[in-house]
Amino acid sequence: GAGVSQSPRYKVTKRGQDVALRCDPISGHVSLYWYRQALGQGPEFLTYFNYEAQQDKSGLPNDRFSAERPEGSISTLTIQRTEQRDSAMYRCASGASTEGYTFGSGTRLTVV
Amino acid sequence: GESVGLHLPTLSVQEGDNSIINCAYSNSASDYFIWYKQESGKGPQFIIDIRSNMDKRQGQRVTVLLNKTVKHLSLQIAATQPGDSAVYFCAENKDTDKLIFGTGTRLQVFP
Repeated sequence: GAGVSQSPRYKVTKRGQDVALRCDPISGHVSLYWYRQALGQGPEFLTYFNYEAQQDKSGLPNDRFSAERPEGSISTLTIQRTEQRDSAMYRCASGASTEGYTFGSGTRLTVV
Repeated sequence: GESVGLHLPTLSVQEGDNSIINCAYSNSASDYFIWYKQESGKGPQFIIDIRSNMDKRQGQRVTVLLNKTVKHLSLQIAATQPGDSAVYFCAENKDTDKLIFGTGTRLQVFP
């Protein structure tokens, strides 16, 4: 597609349930990033991939969070046993350091 | 949509004036810098970038200045328009390392 696509656009889940957030990057983009953004704050780094390799996951808050990009294209961010504090906008970006990074519209996660 | 920039520094300018938004970055080894614009309810939008081997780069109505000595980045917007109202973030990156965002600034343009 022409841009970075994220799904679902909105997700409401009950506390304790697992959720999977999907990111479909721009075709051919090597790098893929996951960020979390709370209201009134800048994007907070979670993890990133070059191709299928997870380069840095230091931003993942705890071991309930995981991400994968098995074929170097689509990525999934999984949150297990969700908690209310996980509620946020989750954003994906793809690109290369020579051309900036393009963000998707994000997934608004609400844990009730 | 969500509201971005509820607790961020705010710069208020009159339509037609020039705006200067500043950013201090953290890693002296960073070699690539990007300015993003984020409107309410939308994701960050790429504006302009600059590499560390440059100290100035110009785009359409925007100029980015880089001062590596003091780790400072600025975004200048000429003839600011109402459509420029948004939150602006700088971001830094080293090689293929992670892209880290700085604290944003909300730009308000009034008639």
